[in-house]
Amino acid sequence: QQQVKQSPQSLIVQKGGISIINCAYENTAFDYFPWYQQFPGKGPALLIAIRPDVSEKKEGRFTISFNKSAKQFSLHIMDSQPGDSATYFCAASMKGAQKLVFGQGTRLTINP
Amino acid sequence: NAGVMQNPRHLVRRRGQEARLRCSPMKGHSHVYWYRQLPEEGLKFMVYLQKENIIDESGMPKERFSAEFPKEGPSILRIQQVVRGDSAAYFCASSGSRAIEAFFGQGTRLTVV
Repeated sequence: QQQVKQSPQSLIVQKGGISIINCAYENTAFDYFPWYQQFPGKGPALLIAIRPDVSEKKEGRFTISFNKSAKQFSLHIMDSQPGDSATYFCAASMKGAQKLVFGQGTRLTINP
Repeated sequence: NAGVMQNPRHLVRRRGQEARLRCSPMKGHSHVYWYRQLPEEGLKFMVYLQKENIIDESGMPKERFSAEFPKEGPSILRIQQVVRGDSAAYFCASSGSRAIEAFFGQGTRLTVV
């Protein structure tokens, strides 16, 4: 119940295309859903986050779509660029609990 | 405004030695978290600390691992008698009093030989 399942494990997208990464969870007590971007040899960097009271949040080329009834959320990267090539992690945390539960990660490659 | 600082960046220890990993949170942050990342895997929560207090250590192995966040100085993750399976990247994160957004350091990559 504490798990967050992420797919796909790896993804290759052409430059300019849309990258879509999906996550699913079971625990309805989760109330904060961030996405992190990690480059090789670096720590994860917070990209964008959403709470379950909204269905979508957009920041620049990055959009989170949230489906509370299906217990799923996804990251969309519009106009994907080679510089977006990185590993992306979804995560979740419960109200009152500070720890994050991470998905397994998606290695995204944007081909020029 | 410096980010979360971890040192050393790389640490090599022989089996049976002790490993000490240090983390200085972002200025103004009083919450520190430690996560472990095995190769090709996501990050796993280990422990959450505030100054002089361990708040949640549900992810810490029962033996050999300990963490502290003293009143003065950095947070320390200590691994005693390291084994090959301890080889991983250890990340520290910090957050402010609202404790919503956590910012990660660059990690310490521990290799046990």
